[in-house]
Amino acid sequence: RKEVEQDPGPFNVPEGATVAFNCTYSNSASQSFFWYRQDCRKEPKLLMSVYSSGNEDGRFTAQLNRASQYISLLIRDSKLSDSATYLCVAPGGYNKLIFGAGTRLAVHP
Amino acid sequence: NAGVTQTPKFQVLKTGQSMTLQCAQDMNHNSMYWYRQDPGMGLRLIYYSASEGTTDKGEVPNGYNVSRLNKREFSLRLESAAPSQTSVYFCASTGAIGSPLHFGNGTRLTVT
Repeated sequence: RKEVEQDPGPFNVPEGATVAFNCTYSNSASQSFFWYRQDCRKEPKLLMSVYSSGNEDGRFTAQLNRASQYISLLIRDSKLSDSATYLCVAPGGYNKLIFGAGTRLAVHP
Repeated sequence: NAGVTQTPKFQVLKTGQSMTLQCAQDMNHNSMYWYRQDPGMGLRLIYYSASEGTTDKGEVPNGYNVSRLNKREFSLRLESAAPSQTSVYFCASTGAIGSPLHFGNGTRLTVT
């Protein structure tokens, strides 16, 4: 089993839709998680940090389910500019940060 | 603020050549990382350095060596480049345990 796994996508949604991505992790001791956004293989940009049960920032909500070992990212009212690849990150050991393969989102008019 | 700086931005090598990718951060971060990203894939950890003076293997360390020269600098060396090492390489750093990664702009390496 990979240390961090994501829905591969792609997700093709219309503007205004709500879309959710999941990410599972294998290290049950993990405490901190992150969602990054990546455009066209540029460097990833931090979208949200998830340290406890969840976090909300405008249209974006991240949730953590420790019992099932997954984190999710919910995007409400999708915009064209949300089209990107979304990467989740989880610890694979002492300060060893592992990425999922990424989920591609395409928002169309 | 410069943040994380990687050099070079682009590089073309012939099979068997060697090179060193440089990375420096000015945020006084303890931990530094090297990732590679291939088309259609996420970032895979090559090596990381949790603190000055330590380095550890990541998911795909074969064919690479690293040096944590000091707290600021973490270099990645390809001793004998192979076409399979054609990729985009990202350096990143983080401060306290549990804090997010800060990335450099990446190095696009092609091995022919």
